[in-house]
Amino acid sequence: DAMVIQNPRYQVTQFGKPVTLSCSQTLNHNVMYWYQQKSSQAPKLLFHYYDKDFNNEADTPDNFQSRRPNTSFCFLDIRSPGLGDAAMYLCATSRETGTSRSGRGNEQFFGPGTRLTVL
Amino acid sequence: QKEVEQDPGPLSVPEGAIVSLNCTYSNSAFQYFMWYRQYSRKGPELLMYTYSSGNKEDGRFTAQVDKSSKYISLFIRDSQPSDSATYLCAMTAIGSNYKLTFGKGTLLTVNP
Repeated sequence: DAMVIQNPRYQVTQFGKPVTLSCSQTLNHNVMYWYQQKSSQAPKLLFHYYDKDFNNEADTPDNFQSRRPNTSFCFLDIRSPGLGDAAMYLCATSRETGTSRSGRGNEQFFGPGTRLTVL
Repeated sequence: QKEVEQDPGPLSVPEGAIVSLNCTYSNSAFQYFMWYRQYSRKGPELLMYTYSSGNKEDGRFTAQVDKSSKYISLFIRDSQPSDSATYLCAMTAIGSNYKLTFGKGTLLTVNP
């Protein structure tokens, strides 16, 4: 089955210790996204890649970086995690960012998430 | 006023009930509307996708969009305990198609 895979599912790190979260996809989608979701809140978009083009949201802290070495993989690096960065991190993909007349193309498909704990 | 408002619930119903979940929004540029289901500690799963106003049905699920009232709904017929999850509405505007604006989600529990 085509899917979005995230590893690890649970990550524990120490305050200030860099951490990397991984996402891979078998959908062959052009676009990959990283979201942060805190408890009982909506997912918050951090950035996205269209192919190799990186697009940062204006309010994403510099502490968050991303890499996309190829179509299938995308990584989220948190350089110096703080207690406020504890959250679920969701990776998503879509075939395109725009839509056809029928409206299809930009549906986003999410992975299972990585729950990050900062001690 | 937030761009998307969604009653967080929690909403608790007996098995077999009809469930109505709703979102209101303020941005008239939104054209594409989605409902995601999110089980506890899992990623959101796309349930329904609609473009502009109208109804769309898929099995026990019906999505309605009323752009004149800036109001969208998801109806679940014959609700099952397996429907217990958080339901998130999401929408995008033409010209900003990649950026989903989410509601905060409604927590639904269907009791056997």
